[in-house]
Amino acid sequence: SAVISQKPSRDICQRGTSLTIQCQVDSQVTMMFWYRQQPGQSLTLIATANQGSEATYESGFVIDKFPISRPNLTFSTLTVSNMSPEDSSIYLCSALDWDQSIYFGEGSWLTVV
Amino acid sequence: RKEVEQDPGPFNVPEGATVAFNCTYSNSASQSFFWYRQDCRKEPKLLMSVYSSGNEDGRFTAQLNRASQYISLLIRDSKLSDSATYLCVVPENTGNQFYFGTGTSLTVIP
Repeated sequence: SAVISQKPSRDICQRGTSLTIQCQVDSQVTMMFWYRQQPGQSLTLIATANQGSEATYESGFVIDKFPISRPNLTFSTLTVSNMSPEDSSIYLCSALDWDQSIYFGEGSWLTVV
Repeated sequence: RKEVEQDPGPFNVPEGATVAFNCTYSNSASQSFFWYRQDCRKEPKLLMSVYSSGNEDGRFTAQLNRASQYISLLIRDSKLSDSATYLCVVPENTGNQFYFGTGTSLTVIP
């Protein structure tokens, strides 16, 4: 499997600010996804990052709050805008592997205070 | 009905025990299934893939029952290092969406 690098790995942010998380894959991948996992919960898909076009958002997630970029087949960013304490979570970048499984970056732990 | 359902546990078992988790899925047309392991404060990592009746890798065996629409994960001779949350994942047929179970927590006790 390719290797996914995410940064920052963790951050503590003030409410009302925005944070951009970067995701770099060491090989070209067709599908990239952004997930959120709140403490004690399972993963929730935020959106599918589409190369060269707008991301596809899941119900409950909107572009104004979570703008996503994917300029090429190896890189994507997720911005968490106008943060509130409810946005405290781990954000996971993932990519589709050749066998249709998905693999994840190490996650970005976000705490909003 | 949820797309994927798991018993959340927790399962607390002694070292050396055999433990099994079940995962039920709602889409009878699903073709592939995955078990992931997630350690505390870490990302999920692929443990096993299941495409036909089952798969075996060392102490781990995954079995698929299409008639009853469930997959199971069997861990034999449990080790302390097996303590983790095990996630059942079923892709949508298009492969563009993955349905995650809520995870089953396992603690192996010395």
